[in-house]
Amino acid sequence: KAGVTQTPRYLIKTRGQQVTLSCSPISGHRSVSWYQQTPGQGLQFLFEYFSETQRNKGNFPGRFSGRQFSNSRSEMNVSTLELGDSALYLCASSLIMEGAGGYTFGSGTRLTVV
Amino acid sequence: EDQVTQSPEALRLQEGESSSLNCSYTVSGLRGLFWYRQDPGKGPEFLFTLYSAGEEKEKERLKATLTKKESFLHITAPKPEDSATYLCAGRSGAGSYQLTFGKGTKLSVIP
Repeated sequence: KAGVTQTPRYLIKTRGQQVTLSCSPISGHRSVSWYQQTPGQGLQFLFEYFSETQRNKGNFPGRFSGRQFSNSRSEMNVSTLELGDSALYLCASSLIMEGAGGYTFGSGTRLTVV
Repeated sequence: EDQVTQSPEALRLQEGESSSLNCSYTVSGLRGLFWYRQDPGKGPEFLFTLYSAGEEKEKERLKATLTKKESFLHITAPKPEDSATYLCAGRSGAGSYQLTFGKGTKLSVIP
């Protein structure tokens, strides 16, 4: 069974640019969440999508946005990049049933802003 | 505001030396306490979900327990391959699939 696939694995961008990250969830999983991981703050919730609708959003500025497609694949976008946006961006998918084994994470996209 | 605090930040053990990692939480209407393992350069790997106080789950050398305020991850006779960062996360009340993570405990097991 294929896991959660995130592309690309690594990205280097310049301040002020924008970036789009992609996540393909496990087949059959309809919920997709995004997290930002930094050494100082740990994992912080960005947003969660289910059936193409954003259900929850974390405390991040409006430069961070996302969407989910009808096949459950998701993208997140960061506009006007800042140095502080350098982080590991993780996507997680899940069945929305209790006891369904938790949230499965991808390997992440390492974004470096220079 | 939901909060999850893990201690210690780092732990060094000799191979075979058992210990416990702590996760204290204040999560509104807790709907699951999750433990993950994360290796460098990789995403978190799911270990356990606990739902109610008194619940315990085991997997190989790991056992997770839950009380109303804390969760513990007990590691029995650890091996070097158990070295990783262990993350704890809580999910709050109905309708929310957002996880609040602690900052993790970095475990090093020395041969």
